[in-house]
Amino acid sequence: AQRVTQPEKLLSVFKGAPVELKCNYSYSGSPELFWYVQYSRQRLQLLLRHISRESIKGFTADLNKGETSFHLKKPFAQEEDSAMYYCRRIQGAQKLVFGQGTRLTINP
Amino acid sequence: NAGVMQNPRHLVRRRGQEARLRCSPVKGHSHVYWYRQLPEEGLKFMVYLQKENIIDESGMPKERFSAEFPKEGPSILRIQQVVRGDSAAYFCASSPGTGGVRYGYTFGSGTRLTVV
Repeated sequence: AQRVTQPEKLLSVFKGAPVELKCNYSYSGSPELFWYVQYSRQRLQLLLRHISRESIKGFTADLNKGETSFHLKKPFAQEEDSAMYYCRRIQGAQKLVFGQGTRLTINP
Repeated sequence: NAGVMQNPRHLVRRRGQEARLRCSPVKGHSHVYWYRQLPEEGLKFMVYLQKENIIDESGMPKERFSAEFPKEGPSILRIQQVVRGDSAAYFCASSPGTGGVRYGYTFGSGTRLTVV
C-alpha cells in the first residue's frame, strides 16, 4: 500500500522563525501530493498541491523524488499559522491517503 | 453553493445506541468519502461511495458500521451499538467524479461523536 508519513506529531516554533513540516511518501512512480490545513474547529482546506507549484500564505512545498519527500516550508512563521497540517497523496482512482498529521504551534 | 454539509455538528450517544451521521455533498457532486479522526490521531479513510454504490469500503470496521448514498438525499454513515472507542470526529468529503479528487475535493466541517 502506498503510504504517507509525517514523522512529527507536534511541532512548535517561535513567531518569525522558519517552519518545515516533513512529509515522506512510499515510492510509486509519479505521485500526486497535496498539503491540507485544518484550523481549530474548522474543516480541512486544501493548502497547496505539488503540480501547481504555487505558494499559498507564504508556504511552499517541493517534491523531491530522490528523497521521496514533500516537505512544507515557510521562511517566517506567523501566529495564525497554528493549525493541524496533513500531507496526502492520491491512491488508485479516487482514494486519498493522508499522513498522520502534524500539529503546528507558533509561539509569540 | 453551500459546500459539503454535515449534521449534526455534535452528537452524544450512550453506549449501545445507534448513531446516524449525515452528509450532503456539494451540489452536483456524485462521489462521497467518509473519514474518521480519532483523538490525537490523523485522518483515516473509511469508505468511498457513488450514488447507490459502495466503491471502496476497505477502511470500514467489519461490524456495526455501514454507509449508504441513496439516489436522493444525503449520504448516511450509521454506527450501531456504539462503544466508547467510536468517539471521534467523522468527516465527509465530496468530489464531482473522475478527476475530481485532484481539484474538486471538498470537506465538510465534521460531526463530533461522543459516546458516554
